[in-house]
Amino acid sequence: DTGVSQDPRHKITKRGQNVTFRCDPISEHNRLYWYRQTLGQGPEFLTYFQNEAQLEKSRLLSDRFSAERPKGSFSTLEIQRTEQGDSAMYLCASSLGGSSDTQYFGPGTRLTVL
Amino acid sequence: AQSVTQLDSHVSVSEGTPVLLRCNYSSSYSPSLFWYVQHPNKGLQLLLKYTSAATLVKGINGFEAEFKKSETSFHLTKPSAHMSDAAEYFCVVSGRGSQGNLIFGKGTKLSVKP
Repeated sequence: DTGVSQDPRHKITKRGQNVTFRCDPISEHNRLYWYRQTLGQGPEFLTYFQNEAQLEKSRLLSDRFSAERPKGSFSTLEIQRTEQGDSAMYLCASSLGGSSDTQYFGPGTRLTVL
Repeated sequence: AQSVTQLDSHVSVSEGTPVLLRCNYSSSYSPSLFWYVQHPNKGLQLLLKYTSAATLVKGINGFEAEFKKSETSFHLTKPSAHMSDAAEYFCVVSGRGSQGNLIFGKGTKLSVKP
């Protein structure tokens, strides 16, 4: 499968715990994006990388959130001290680059914070 | 700032009848516009995109959309609905500059009755 993959698909955690999600983009895609989707809403942009550089962060990305793409390939999104409001679907997408390039989405990681 | 408004949260049609999903956008410059579809428990899939070429854009599965600058609209249509079209549809505009982050509408849930 040459699409975008995300791991895990589901995560249930208790409030206050840390969680980490992984995204593997389509190989040769330079850009990698993270979005968050809550129930009944469209996805909202969190952050994106051009190769290993994190170039933009949304104001939605609080200090408890951190994302990395150390070698310009896979990316991780970590949430520290999770809160119930963090419960959402976290989506990863990748593209070759440019604002009009198609972004290909992974299946998402559904986070439930109890 | 860019934004999209999907005018209907839920549209219900009978199989074999036309589909119309309405979207208005706001952008301070020539936008790139997209329609994505999200089936239950599946990732977002691109239906079609407009990037300042032909105003009538044809996509997959018989869908098409027309960019109308004077009306700031980008409505999605299909001549004949199929049961497999039942899903959530998102109208999307590309973010400012070369960032490429996508700005999603709230979505329209399409139901198809037999």
